[in-house]
Amino acid sequence: SQQGEEDPQALSIQEGENATMNCSYKTSINNLQWYRQNSGRGLVHLILIRSNEREKHSGRLRVTLDTSKKSSSLLITASRAADTASYFCATDAGANNLFFGTGTRLTVIP
Amino acid sequence: SQTIHQWPATLVQPVGSPLSLECTVEGTSNPNLYWYRQAAGRGLQLLFYSVGIGQISSEVPQNLSASRPQDRQFILSSKKLLLSDSGFYLCAWTGQSNSPLHFGNGTRLTVT
Repeated sequence: SQQGEEDPQALSIQEGENATMNCSYKTSINNLQWYRQNSGRGLVHLILIRSNEREKHSGRLRVTLDTSKKSSSLLITASRAADTASYFCATDAGANNLFFGTGTRLTVIP
Repeated sequence: SQTIHQWPATLVQPVGSPLSLECTVEGTSNPNLYWYRQAAGRGLQLLFYSVGIGQISSEVPQNLSASRPQDRQFILSSKKLLLSDSGFYLCAWTGQSNSPLHFGNGTRLTVT
């Protein structure tokens, strides 16, 4: 399966701390994307990193990609209570499909 | 700007009843359209995607079907619901391949 797998499944941190989530996948990809989902809502796209990129930043988000290890990480710096959500990685191997992992549930305690 | 509408937000249906979930996109043309299902505490499972009117690709054989009667309309249907059809159904669109998906707010379906 091409599906990504996030680690850890759940993460609880204090406000102001950094949160790191990891994603591993199995096949070659065109790009890898991270999404956020608030409880009971649709997913919101956060950041896309292409297979020829190693690191990308967007505000307090930092994503790395290691294609040799087939892994990616999402770092959220200076976390806020509003960052509480589930975070999913999704791999794009072409053919109009995105394969999503099972997500990391992040809780930021005020 | 582009928007995606998905309805209803919640639905409770008895086993054996039919299903119709609708999704429409505004502000774009010829989008790629997707139906995903998310079981409780799980990731997203791609059910169907469409790259054009009348073109439907099924990823998982099951009790559901999809149709795209208009360019920006995507419908998920079932003739007879099963208990296992319960879940959170998400519609999404993208303008082209290798681009991010834009999701609707989802439909929570409970089959009783």
